[in-house]
Amino acid sequence: GQQVMQIPQYQHVQEGEDFTTYCNSSTTLSNIQWYKQRPGGHPVFLIQLVKSGEVKKQKRLTFQFGEAKKNSSLHITATQTTDVGTYFCAGPISNFGNEKLTFGTGTRLTIIP
Amino acid sequence: DGGITQSPKYLFRKEGQNVTLSCEQNLNHDAMYWYRQDPGQGLRLIYYSQIVNDFQKGDIAEGYSVSREKKESFPLTVTSAQKNPTAFYLCASSRGSYNEQFFGPGTRLTVL
Repeated sequence: GQQVMQIPQYQHVQEGEDFTTYCNSSTTLSNIQWYKQRPGGHPVFLIQLVKSGEVKKQKRLTFQFGEAKKNSSLHITATQTTDVGTYFCAGPISNFGNEKLTFGTGTRLTIIP
Repeated sequence: DGGITQSPKYLFRKEGQNVTLSCEQNLNHDAMYWYRQDPGQGLRLIYYSQIVNDFQKGDIAEGYSVSREKKESFPLTVTSAQKNPTAFYLCASSRGSYNEQFFGPGTRLTVL
């Protein structure tokens, strides 16, 4: 079936370094959503992008939706220990007539103080 | 105070027993979902429901069952047929199939 993949699976960075995770879909998406799951917690919605080429910022986080609406990225500038967690992208995909939000495989970010 | 609740937070069961996990939302959302998450892994969809009295199998429905008799409630039963039930179970709801999902705090099930 159609999938949403993320790379890298894991990322270890020194505190203060930048971090980027990439999300790729096998099909064009009407929108892309990003979620963050802290260790031991549950996923929390961060943002939704809808337009081709759209860029949105939340403080140190920059989200981008590709021109073809098949890929997206999340970039964190100057990481802090509070950024630790797993970041998931999610896109609406129709498989065999069933429409649902499909989550990516996730990127786990760990910060080295 | 609107939200989605799951109970209990931790659950222990003996092998061979069925167990039902609770999920309630007061967000007036039509769609509800159950996910399974194993340590260090992503979210795998078990079942979802887009409307009351209707639900569909997700990617890993074998050994699980659900009901959606009320809009607010979407309980998940882990049956004895589920070969490896120990996991973190997350319930979520959304206004529609493509809208942002709100997750409950999760239930950690351990089968001994």
